[in-house]
Amino acid sequence: TQLLEQSPQFLSIQEGENLTVYCNSSSVFSSLQWYRQEPGEGPVLLVTVVTGGEVKKLKRLTFQFGDARKDSSLHITAAQPGDTGLYLCAGGIYSGAGSYQLTFGKGTKLSVIP
Amino acid sequence: NAGVTQTPKFRILKIGQSMTLQCTQDMNHNYMYWYRQDPGMGLKLIYYSVGAGITDKGEVPNGYNVSRSTTEDFPLRLELAAPSQTSVYFCASSYSIGGRNNEQFFGPGTRLTVL
Repeated sequence: TQLLEQSPQFLSIQEGENLTVYCNSSSVFSSLQWYRQEPGEGPVLLVTVVTGGEVKKLKRLTFQFGDARKDSSLHITAAQPGDTGLYLCAGGIYSGAGSYQLTFGKGTKLSVIP
Repeated sequence: NAGVTQTPKFRILKIGQSMTLQCTQDMNHNYMYWYRQDPGMGLKLIYYSVGAGITDKGEVPNGYNVSRSTTEDFPLRLELAAPSQTSVYFCASSYSIGGRNNEQFFGPGTRLTVL
């Protein structure tokens, strides 16, 4: 079983501050996804990275996949209250019989205080 | 498009009872998944399906069963409910697997309590 460790587990910051969330594993993943989940709803995909060292930007969010494809980070610049939510990383790996499974981290619960 | 729909939204079961959690998607996706999410934990894969008639176990399949008779529907069955099955259950679907186009679309979840 592949494990994904996310840190920090909880993060409370003031509006306008920057933050970074980390996702680490000893396993190599074919892809790494970041999802955001609001209370009472299912996760929604933010980004998929597949190449070691890949960097993707989504407005104020910057995602990076580690060179060895074992870790990833999410950096938010000038956080806003609308960024509040649970951020989940998920590593994808091909398993037997042509299937593909995602392993999720436990998530980082972010609160941005106005 | 409604996306992925799940029923019921909430359910309380007594130990030993059985129930079926319904999941339907209208995106013509071949791949469907069932996850459970416990407080403070990430999502854990229970079962998945790569197409109608084909299902396989995920990380935590014990106590659950699934079937996939159509592309649209992927019900999850709990035969003998136990308190350890208290959780929020999410159904998801995807168009493909691997690569950049394997976004999983999630339903709103079913919150199940077993007393």
